[in-house]
Amino acid sequence: NAGVTQTPKFQVLKTGQSMTLQCAQDMNHEYMSWYRQDPGMGLRLIHYSVGAGITDQGEVPNGYNVSRSTTEDFPLRLLSAAPSQTSVYFCASSPRTALGYTFGSGTRLTVV
Amino acid sequence: RKEVEQDPGPFNVPEGATVAFNCTYSNSASQSFFWYRQDCRKEPKLLMSVYSSGNEDGRFTAQLNRASQYISLLIRDSKLSDSATYLCVVNENSGNTPLVFGKGTRLSVIA
Repeated sequence: NAGVTQTPKFQVLKTGQSMTLQCAQDMNHEYMSWYRQDPGMGLRLIHYSVGAGITDQGEVPNGYNVSRSTTEDFPLRLLSAAPSQTSVYFCASSPRTALGYTFGSGTRLTVV
Repeated sequence: RKEVEQDPGPFNVPEGATVAFNCTYSNSASQSFFWYRQDCRKEPKLLMSVYSSGNEDGRFTAQLNRASQYISLLIRDSKLSDSATYLCVVNENSGNTPLVFGKGTRLSVIA
């Protein structure tokens, strides 16, 4: 099992560009979520999904879109990148959140 | 707003010391509790779940006090490799809802 795989590991974008951060898991987990982590702010929830076809907003959803067409994949789309979106992004999955999460290794995004 | 509160530290302790972290949570209906460890520039990794009766894993002991709504983590015989940020994490209900994370407590073990 590869676990939770995030790509790319590093990315630099110009303001206004769009891109998609990929997240895939091979553990047949129903629950998947995206967090961003900034110094002093802790992990903040962007979007989450409890199964294919179902998504919901977290604490900081503005500027991001998600979809969940399969159980395995949960991509995060930045519509028009802004410097405030410079952060480390983590994807996490779980068979059931009461059992805890498995995290991907993260994507470091810089918007200039 | 539901919250999980932790002392951010840093806790600077010598090798071999015993160190304890506490965490408080605001939602009395919370169901599951965890400690995660996060190394610098890495993803969080599950250290241990916290059970109502308390549980131990080697040098690590976790305890839950539901009446006072706090969780603790005790590390005995600290090693240099224990240096990390420790995140307190709470599952607020029995449904498949997002976990709530504390901002973490930073530990530095010094030789």
